[in-house]
Amino acid sequence: RKEVEQDPGPFNVPEGATVAFNCTYSNSASQSFFWYRQDCRKEPKLLMSVYSSGNEDGRFTAQLNRASQYISLLIRDSKLSDSATYLCVVISSNSGYALNFGKGTSLLVTP
Amino acid sequence: GAVVSQHPSRVICKSGTSVKIECRSLDFQATTMFWYRQFPKQSLMLMATSNEGSKATYEQGVEKDKFLINHASLTLSTLTVTSAHPEDSSFYICSAHGTAQNTEAFFGQGTRLTVV
Repeated sequence: RKEVEQDPGPFNVPEGATVAFNCTYSNSASQSFFWYRQDCRKEPKLLMSVYSSGNEDGRFTAQLNRASQYISLLIRDSKLSDSATYLCVVISSNSGYALNFGKGTSLLVTP
Repeated sequence: GAVVSQHPSRVICKSGTSVKIECRSLDFQATTMFWYRQFPKQSLMLMATSNEGSKATYEQGVEKDKFLINHASLTLSTLTVTSAHPEDSSFYICSAHGTAQNTEAFFGQGTRLTVV
């Protein structure tokens, strides 16, 4: 079983829609959580860190549920430019700070 | 933010040749850098952890004699794919972190290797 699991999608949504991505992790020693965005053939870029209290950055909201080992990302008012692959990333205390990536969820926002 | 420079961004080589990929942290010292590989439609997979001044730590299933890592300074790590074969064709990417475990990871631009 992979340490970080995501629904690969693709999610096809119209502009302006709200879309939610989920991610689960299996390592209970995980302590840092992130969402990264990766455009085709490019390096991943940090979208936002995820905190236990939940955090929001503009149209993006991230939530963490440690008890369920579950992370979510909500995108409101989707833009065409949001089309990308969204990677759930976890750092565990027993992994030497290496990032453990989910497979990514593909999002396509259509006009 | 901090910058990590990786090159080349794209390389095509013949089967059996070796390819060196460089990863530089431009404005901070990276005692640890990580090398990942991403096959099409797959997630990034950690290959090895590169520690300045010591031997790299390889993940299970990654051949250390095939993927040579050198981290001779606090700003440079290199990955050499030796005797490359078509199955080594992939997207290779490095990252470096700050000293705290939950700081942003800074990625190089990635290297797309095609072995023909």
